[in-house]
Amino acid sequence: AQSVSQHNHHVILSEAASLELGCNYSYGGTVNLFWYVQYPGQHLQLLLKYFSGDPLVKGIKGFEAEFIKSKFSFNLRKPSVQWSDTAEYFCAVNAPNFGNEKLTFGTGTRLTIIP
Amino acid sequence: GAGVSQSPSNKVTEKGKDVELRCDPISGHTALYWYRQSLGQGLEFLIYFQGNSAPDKSGLPSDRFSAERTGGSVSTLTIQRTQQEDSAVYLCASSSGTSGEQYFGPGTRLTVT
Repeated sequence: AQSVSQHNHHVILSEAASLELGCNYSYGGTVNLFWYVQYPGQHLQLLLKYFSGDPLVKGIKGFEAEFIKSKFSFNLRKPSVQWSDTAEYFCAVNAPNFGNEKLTFGTGTRLTIIP
Repeated sequence: GAGVSQSPSNKVTEKGKDVELRCDPISGHTALYWYRQSLGQGLEFLIYFQGNSAPDKSGLPSDRFSAERTGGSVSTLTIQRTQQEDSAVYLCASSSGTSGEQYFGPGTRLTVT
């Protein structure tokens, strides 16, 4: 079974600070990797995804993530955060090669940006 | 275009009552998922429908939970004899097929009193 760990439960940063949110997964086979964001009062939205190819993926709103297979990691980064990035961030995986499309989510990281 | 819609947005029910939650996926999406988001458990998978295949029910927490998808489109999640621990936000998502990204609806917040 897959599992996802997000070690940062609550991160507080000032505007313009750099961001890195950790995500590690546990699964022996090929996976697809995702970061979803949930802004206050809104539904889950996809930030970025990795299926194959270049391990550095760029998403919306200046976010990027790097897949490091040897470390089973898919950390989310942004060079300079804005107040509007305040939200909850979820890392997720699925393993479609075995016909298993369901997403396994991490517990989420709440990000608070101080103006 | 229209996204995934869910109804009702909020539901308050008494313990022991049955509830039905509805999901309208994005038109043309063959895959539909139900998840549950609660404080204690985070985001959990409940059930997955893909085309005409038998659904993956492996995430349903008890036999009080069931779901169906009619005509390959609209889905209904039914919870019988609700318990307080069923209180959560129930999320529906759809995708276009294998390895497709999932688009989430706004959720139904269920409160069991």
